[in-house]
Amino acid sequence: SQQGEEDPQALSIQEGENATMNCSYKTSINNLQWYRQNSGRGLVHLILIRSNEREKHSGRLRVTLDTSKKSSSLLITASRAADTASYFCATVRNRDDKIIFGKGTRLHILP
Amino acid sequence: DAGVTQSPTHLIKTRGQQVTLRCSPKSGHDTVSWYQQALGQGPQFIFQYYEEEERQRGNFPDRFSGHQFPNYSSELNVNALLLGDSALYLCASSLGGGGAGNIQYFGAGTRLSVL
Repeated sequence: SQQGEEDPQALSIQEGENATMNCSYKTSINNLQWYRQNSGRGLVHLILIRSNEREKHSGRLRVTLDTSKKSSSLLITASRAADTASYFCATVRNRDDKIIFGKGTRLHILP
Repeated sequence: DAGVTQSPTHLIKTRGQQVTLRCSPKSGHDTVSWYQQALGQGPQFIFQYYEEEERQRGNFPDRFSGHQFPNYSSELNVNALLLGDSALYLCASSLGGGGAGNIQYFGAGTRLSVL
């Protein structure tokens, strides 16, 4: 079964607004990664946050990690049409270093 | 700088047949992982190859096997195809083995349809 679970499953917002996606997981992790996928093609790595980090920024992206709640969030600020995609969180488990992806959040930016 | 390349892009097979998918990693990368992504789902880890050996494996049956060549390219083989094997198969490369903790670069995938 997949460990990471994204919320919401789908999100539509107006261009220029901020988009927030959440990810919850079940077991102890080494790190958590966020990926973007356009139209069923390959995934693009966005950001990696380690278990001892609480927040990371990359351009318009901000990721937080709360290991006590086993959750993470991805914030995309000032959204653009090109941000329309599916976003996946992936957790790397401590016990066996395996990566597990969630089912993703489908983000649609409205013009 | 060539990224991860996969071939073929699309493939149609019938139940019971065998299929081989190919992957060339990003230049300079030595580790290849394979994933299966069903429609509307996230990718599921199949296995990882490093130094021509399978280093990690997900919850997939022995019908799924692989190989890594000295030039770091890799193949995924699936025997006795089932309808449920229809999916997008993704290859990802990274550097230095190290399990799944490293940043991975994905190819565009091979879409397999089993009829």
